[in-house]
Order: sequence, then C-alpha cells, then structure tokens
Amino acid sequence: DGGITQSPKYLFRKEGQNVTLSCEQNLNHDAMYWYRQDPGQGLRLIYYSQIVNDFQKGDIAEGYSVSREKKESFPLTVTSAQKNPTAFYLCASSVSGESYEQYFGPGTRLTVT
Amino acid sequence: DAKTTQPNSMESNEEEPVHLPCNHSTISGTDYIHWYRQLPSQGPEYVIHGLTSNVNNRMASLAIAEDRKSSTLILHRATLRDAAVYYCILRALSSGNTPLVFGKGTRLSVIA
Repeated sequence: DGGITQSPKYLFRKEGQNVTLSCEQNLNHDAMYWYRQDPGQGLRLIYYSQIVNDFQKGDIAEGYSVSREKKESFPLTVTSAQKNPTAFYLCASSVSGESYEQYFGPGTRLTVT
Repeated sequence: DAKTTQPNSMESNEEEPVHLPCNHSTISGTDYIHWYRQLPSQGPEYVIHGLTSNVNNRMASLAIAEDRKSSTLILHRATLRDAAVYYCILRALSSGNTPLVFGKGTRLSVIA
C-alpha cells in the first residue's frame, strides 16, 4: 500500500539526549513536511523540503534539524537544544497542482523526561 | 495564505446532518478552500476542496458562498467516526509545494 510511515509510534527519551524520528513515503512525492502538535493545539510547521538535498525552516525550527538525502526519506532530529520537546510529531508529503493534497503519517508521540 | 475563522467546537447527534462553517473574508480570487480533519491521535486527512462551485465527494459536500467570503462543510449523516477536529484552510494555486497552514479548527462531537 502507498503511504507514509513514521516510526516509532511512541518514543521516550531522557532530557539532554538527541533523538531522530523516522519518516518514509512511497508515494513518489517531491515535498515532505514536519509538523509539531501540542495538546489541544493546531499543527505548527517545523521544517519542509520541496526537493532532495534542500529544505526550509518553518515557524518553530529552533532545536530541530533535518536531512533529505533521498526522495523517500525525511528524518527529523530533536536536539537537546529544543526546550520543550514533548509533543506529537507529524510527517506529511505532497504533490503540487490544483488537486494539491497533503498526506500525513500516523505520527510519533515523543515524551522527554 | 489568507486567514480563516471557525467555531472552536460544535456538537451533533448521530445520523443527523452537520454544517461546519468557515469565514474567510480576505480570500483572494486564486485561493482554494481546503478542508482536512484529524481523528483522535491520528494525522490529519484530506476531506475536500473547492474554488467557486459547490463540491461533493464520498466524504462530504462543500458549499461556497457566492462572494466566497465563507464556506460550509456538510456531513450528510454524522456518525461516531466523524468526531474529529475539522480544519478549513485557504491555499493559493500558485503556492506550489509549500506547506498548509493549520489553525485550531472546529472540534466536532457526535452524540449517540
């Protein structure tokens, strides 16, 4: 089945540790995105990439880093510099055009203590 | 992208129609109206989108006001599975592959 996979579904880390969240898509989409969602809030954009080897910061990029070495993969690293990393992280991909649609993965819930 | 305004929450009885409003008074001529919904603990999913004419698909209908300053997402028969947060988002066609901008949406509760 075509879609977006994120792993793991739940992740627990100690404060001060970097952690990398996986996002893979087999939809052949050029663009990929990372959002963060806090309880009761909407989605906020962390980073996005419109093409391989290129990416742009979103509204809340501080404390996060990404790479886009392959079209299918867009991993997100939550660094120890991120002040409040506990959140629900969502990855998405899209194709451009009139029928633009973003496809989302199931999300990773990260808890840092 | 232009801003949208939605009620924070709405409630519906099961098997009744639901009309979810969205105001977008600053919409421009090339902005499409997109609707997504997010079920509990899941990623958002696309529902429907339109430009000027009303649109129907298997999930819902989208009614767009003649002046395009507002729109309404219509769920014809609400089920318990429709309980979700519904997001109304404007997006210019020229936006290419830039990200969607999500507001807080409307939280729909469905009562059995």
